[in-house]
Amino acid sequence: EPEVTQTPSHQVTQMGQEVILRCVPISNHLYFYWYRQILGQKVEFLVSFYNNEISEKSEIFDDQFSVERPDGSNFTLKIRSTKLEDSAMYFCARTGTSGAYEQYFGPGTRLTVT
Amino acid sequence: GESVGLHLPTLSVQEGDNSIINCAYSNSASDYFIWYKQESGKGPQFIIDIRSNMDKRQGQRVTVLLNKTVKHLSLQIAATQPGDSAVYFCAFKRAGTASKLTFGTGTRLQVTL
Repeated sequence: EPEVTQTPSHQVTQMGQEVILRCVPISNHLYFYWYRQILGQKVEFLVSFYNNEISEKSEIFDDQFSVERPDGSNFTLKIRSTKLEDSAMYFCARTGTSGAYEQYFGPGTRLTVT
Repeated sequence: GESVGLHLPTLSVQEGDNSIINCAYSNSASDYFIWYKQESGKGPQFIIDIRSNMDKRQGQRVTVLLNKTVKHLSLQIAATQPGDSAVYFCAFKRAGTASKLTFGTGTRLQVTL
């Protein structure tokens, strides 16, 4: 299964700045997800996106976060005003081609907030 | 509530031996399970999955066992190789939907020569 690509691979930003993380699916899928992983911890769900709408979001996904597909291809995660605790790996994932069960992850973007 | 946990945080095995990584879950509504492998600095890599209507599923050198009675999941790796060294996560979701995955805390597998 082809995975997704993510850009940038590493983003360093100052506290209070806005960041946009990008995910580019290899093929056209309907379901996308953002997860994050704080260093040394488990992967945590942020938000799922289906048919250009948020279908589910976690408690972590507060008003500082937003997602969209601005051009029908790229899938973005925006953090409006970053906090130190936003430092983590952010992974984009998509469902498989055989159905909506399995999820395949991108390589991630390492976000460092200073 | 929903939770997925792991018995062993670190597992050290010799090259060529079999590895068994365990996972416990608490939500009986869980009906789809995935094992992921994560190497340092990379995203989780799909290994194998199993649905709740199955007890066992085999892949290439890997086998997943599901015991719904005790809510236990295990990943068996045959003839462990140095390239298997990584952190392994179990994750679950409800099958039939594109709902979120809930991940366990991970087990680090160290393969010694």
